[in-house]
Amino acid sequence: NAGVMQNPRHLVRRRGQEARLRCSPMKGHSHVYWYRQLPEEGLKFMVYLQKENIIDESGMPKERFSAEFPKEGPSILRIQQVVRGDSAAYFCASSPQGPYEQYFGPGTRLTVT
Amino acid sequence: DAKTTQPPSMDCAEGRAANLPCNHSTISGNEYVYWYRQIHSQGPQYIIHGLKNNETNEMASLIITEDRKSSTLILPHATLRDTAVYYCIVRDILTSGTYKYIFGTGTRLKVLA
Repeated sequence: NAGVMQNPRHLVRRRGQEARLRCSPMKGHSHVYWYRQLPEEGLKFMVYLQKENIIDESGMPKERFSAEFPKEGPSILRIQQVVRGDSAAYFCASSPQGPYEQYFGPGTRLTVT
Repeated sequence: DAKTTQPPSMDCAEGRAANLPCNHSTISGNEYVYWYRQIHSQGPQYIIHGLKNNETNEMASLIITEDRKSSTLILPHATLRDTAVYYCIVRDILTSGTYKYIFGTGTRLKVLA
């Protein structure tokens, strides 16, 4: 059973461009969570999604950031008009329906130049 | 805010037991304690979780005090590969009945040769 997949693993964008980060949850998992980690800091919760629904987006910046988890395909975290402060590692985690532990992907390292 | 507090760093000699403490004095009766670790900049790795009984698996043991206000993760024979940041997490239960993780700053464990 493959683990949580994230791609790309590394992404370089110039200021003002768009970044799209993809997350494929583990097979059978219907819950997806996105976290951001700045250098030398802990993980910060961004958004929690179930298929076609956003459950909690309290950690997501109100502007430029959006997330989706469509019925088919991976979850997408989209950052529009990136700025240098968006440079970070973005981790996705998934879990099955119910109060189960989350399993994390390897992360996408976004660098904004 | 995170519901847990941990010491920022610890050292442990290789081959000895590593005991990592965590305080969660505001934990409620039905909340689990989860432990993860992050090796270098990889995605967090699930270790173990528990409610009130002590738990053991192939990676570690979890000791939860009777009042559930604190717990200790035990790595019985630490190796150099156990050097990582260890996170103790109490889930944040949402009004929908679902939950999310709020990561604290964790304990940076360094295993010394």
